[in-house]
Amino acid sequence: DAGITQSPRHKVTETGTPVTLRCHQTENHRYMYWYRQDPGHGLRLIHYSYGVKDTDKGEVSDGYSVSRSKTEDFLLTLESATSSQTSVYFCAISEFQRGGDQETQYFGPGTRLLVL
Amino acid sequence: KQEVTQIPAALSVPEGENLVLNCSFTDSAIYNLQWFRQDPGKGLTSLLLIQSSQREQTSGRLNASLDKSSGRSTLYIAASQPGDSATYLCAVRRGTSGSRLTFGEGTQLTVNP
Repeated sequence: DAGITQSPRHKVTETGTPVTLRCHQTENHRYMYWYRQDPGHGLRLIHYSYGVKDTDKGEVSDGYSVSRSKTEDFLLTLESATSSQTSVYFCAISEFQRGGDQETQYFGPGTRLLVL
Repeated sequence: KQEVTQIPAALSVPEGENLVLNCSFTDSAIYNLQWFRQDPGKGLTSLLLIQSSQREQTSGRLNASLDKSSGRSTLYIAASQPGDSATYLCAVRRGTSGSRLTFGEGTQLTVNP
């Protein structure tokens, strides 16, 4: 599992409230990602990070922000949660082998978020 | 824009059968392709990674092939078991060093005892 944990694993919140999800990794990986998984859409990238304080947007970044102040933690914040953000959120890391040519992504267990 | 399609969306087979899952992608300019397994309510488990320069990769009863020019990959599962029941996802990566994966929606496999 590449040492990835996510917290909380389940959360119910109300529309308009801010929500922060945490991804923690123990193996000093440089690249970290946040995806959301929805029926009919598959997994889609929200934001990613390529180092401490270095982040960039993915394809569905509106309404989300991220922060990475330490290598091991990548936080995803829903600034004002909406019902359309009800989803399963996955964190992932990239592991590089063979001198950096072979990049494999490994995923955390996911966080189920329900916005009422 | 890269699009990844997996057909069929669901597949049910008897135990012991050999089976093939299909993945197609629209842009052949990929760096690599990764197959994942997802159990209900769980995260994704990486099964196999194929670099764009490779034709196939094997791990145990699993064999993944890649035909980049035609935009296709297959995942072959030999001697299927009930424990293989899960959703299988393929994803393609466009470039190196952190470029994102584009996922298909998966094939839900049920292996009946």
